[in-house]
Amino acid sequence: DAKTTQPPSMDCAEGRAANLPCNHSTISGNEYVYWYRQIHSQGPQYIIHGLKNNETNEMASLIITEDRKSSTLILPHATLRDTAVYYCIVSVTTSGTYKYIFGTGTRLKVLA
Amino acid sequence: NAGVTQTPKFRILKIGQSMTLQCAQDMNHNYMYWYRQDPGMGLKLIYYSVGAGITDKGEVPNGYNVSRSTTEDFPLRLELAAPSQTSVYFCASSYRTGAGTGELFFGEGSRLTVL
Repeated sequence: DAKTTQPPSMDCAEGRAANLPCNHSTISGNEYVYWYRQIHSQGPQYIIHGLKNNETNEMASLIITEDRKSSTLILPHATLRDTAVYYCIVSVTTSGTYKYIFGTGTRLKVLA
Repeated sequence: NAGVTQTPKFRILKIGQSMTLQCAQDMNHNYMYWYRQDPGMGLKLIYYSVGAGITDKGEVPNGYNVSRSTTEDFPLRLELAAPSQTSVYFCASSYRTGAGTGELFFGEGSRLTVL
């Protein structure tokens, strides 16, 4: 049911930018793309979301392609504390209600 | 705001026992969700609610029941616990309208072991 596809794992050197890709080719026109991360077995933490334009906040940047079929989450200067599982999700709309189906995410390991 | 509060944080059940996981939010969110996460896996949606009195099934509803009598509370009931229900359970809430963005706010999780 997940509407997104992500690579299962990635490594990134500490201090370098981490670029996490996500494919959401079936996204509908008014649906947002959301990114969350989960550190160890804590509850997932919201990072950022976007609709069409690129977005930036204090945690990350989100680049969405013009056709909206894919996006990239960018952590500009990865630290060891960014080691986590990152989830890209879009909502599934059924009869006007919204549910969020998580995929398996990308396990990012930041290396010292 | 306390956000999303889940109780208990840990629980061990025997096969066949029943219990209720509690979830409360103080953000006046209309949507609430229950997920389970098995070791090394992603989150699976069990049930969700779009408001008081309205609930719907997610991906893995079998063996669970929910109710939403108030905006704040969304308890998850396990009837006849089975070892396959050993998991970490997360409750989440969001405020979503047709034009809203609806980011999810998660609780800290409830770790359930069925022996």
